[in-house]
Amino acid sequence: TQLLEQSPQFLSIQEGENLTVYCNSSSVFSSLQWYRQEPGEGPVLLVTVVTGGEVKKLKRLTFQFGDARKDSSLHITAAQPGDTGLYLCAGEGSGSRLTFGEGTQLTVNP
Amino acid sequence: EPEVTQTPSHQVTQMGQEVILRCVPISNHLYFYWYRQILGQKVEFLVSFYNNEISEKSEIFDDQFSVERPDGSNFTLKIRSTKLEDSAMYFCASSNIGLAGGPYTQYFGPGTRLTVL
Repeated sequence: TQLLEQSPQFLSIQEGENLTVYCNSSSVFSSLQWYRQEPGEGPVLLVTVVTGGEVKKLKRLTFQFGDARKDSSLHITAAQPGDTGLYLCAGEGSGSRLTFGEGTQLTVNP
Repeated sequence: EPEVTQTPSHQVTQMGQEVILRCVPISNHLYFYWYRQILGQKVEFLVSFYNNEISEKSEIFDDQFSVERPDGSNFTLKIRSTKLEDSAMYFCASSNIGLAGGPYTQYFGPGTRLTVL
């Protein structure tokens, strides 16, 4: 069974601060997908990383896939209150099923 | 921008009743999925579907569950005899085929909240 551990589980920071969310596993994934989920809604795709060592940027968000494709990180620069939400990482295993992490609940205070 | 849609948004049912959750995947996608999320827990894979048959299912997806693509646009999840523990958000997702070893990036619908009383 593939598992993804996300940390931290909760993060509360002030506007303008930087933060990093980590997603770790002992398993290798074909790809790692990051989502953001609002209460009562479905996960919304942010990015997919595929190649070991790959770095993708989405405005103030930087996503990195580990060289061994077992871990990933999400770094947010100069966080804003609009970044508040639940961030999920999901690893694509064999057969295309996604294994989700527990999520990181981010709160950015004005 | 194309999106996955799901109906109903909320379904309340009595224990032992059958429910059908409906999804319209993104039109040019070929892989379809159902996931569930029990309140306060992580999103869990139930089943994937390709070429009119189940391609993979989890241990959660037992005989009370079934999926169907009754026409060219809908994808349904049927729960035959609901139990209290089936109460959860059910998400449909779809993806395009992972060409040349590429990722099966999955796009999720807004979910159906199932409440079993």
